[in-house]
Amino acid sequence: KAGVTQTPRYLIKTRGQQVTLSCSPISGHRSVSWYQQTPGQGLQFLFEYFSETQRNKGNFPGRFSGRQFSNSRSEMNVSTLELGDSALYLCASRKRDRRGTEAFFGQGTRLTVV
Amino acid sequence: AQSVSQHNHHVILSEAASLELGCNYSYGGTVNLFWYVQYPGQHLQLLLKYFSGDPLVKGIKGFEAEFIKSKFSFNLRKPSVQWSDTAEYFCAVIRITGGGNKLTFGTGTQLKVEL
Repeated sequence: KAGVTQTPRYLIKTRGQQVTLSCSPISGHRSVSWYQQTPGQGLQFLFEYFSETQRNKGNFPGRFSGRQFSNSRSEMNVSTLELGDSALYLCASRKRDRRGTEAFFGQGTRLTVV
Repeated sequence: AQSVSQHNHHVILSEAASLELGCNYSYGGTVNLFWYVQYPGQHLQLLLKYFSGDPLVKGIKGFEAEFIKSKFSFNLRKPSVQWSDTAEYFCAVIRITGGGNKLTFGTGTQLKVEL
């Protein structure tokens, strides 16, 4: 069965631009979470969606937003890009919105802001 | 705020050496615990998980971890490492009470296994 698919894999943007990243969860999974991975800060939680509703949000500025569609696919948007937004953005999917279920990660989108 | 600490940032071992990577968390309530591995150029993969029951859990590739509630620890072990175990290892915690499904990760341990 197909894993978590993130597109695009690589992206280069200029400061001030905006970007949209996409995540398709494993078929049948309804929970999608987003994480930012950087060498300095490690893996940090951005937000989590379940059934098109944001369930949890991390400590990121409002420039970071997301949404989930009825087919469970999710998008993450970053507006007014800053150099510090350069990172690997990871998406994870879960079958259910319950503790005790493991998360499966995609390969990530490598965003470089220049 | 909940935090997860991994004490070793870089570990270098020879093949066949034993491995133990430390992980401690700060939250005192009920938690789910995980170890993930990230091989070079690959995505995060689950090595093992603890939800409840036997505190000694076995994962893939010969890895195991022990949950010691009194020490807030979940250390990862492998009796004999292989060159192919070279990767970055992340401990992660989900807080069961009021934490949603948010995974809080440690800063990671870069393991290099030399031939």
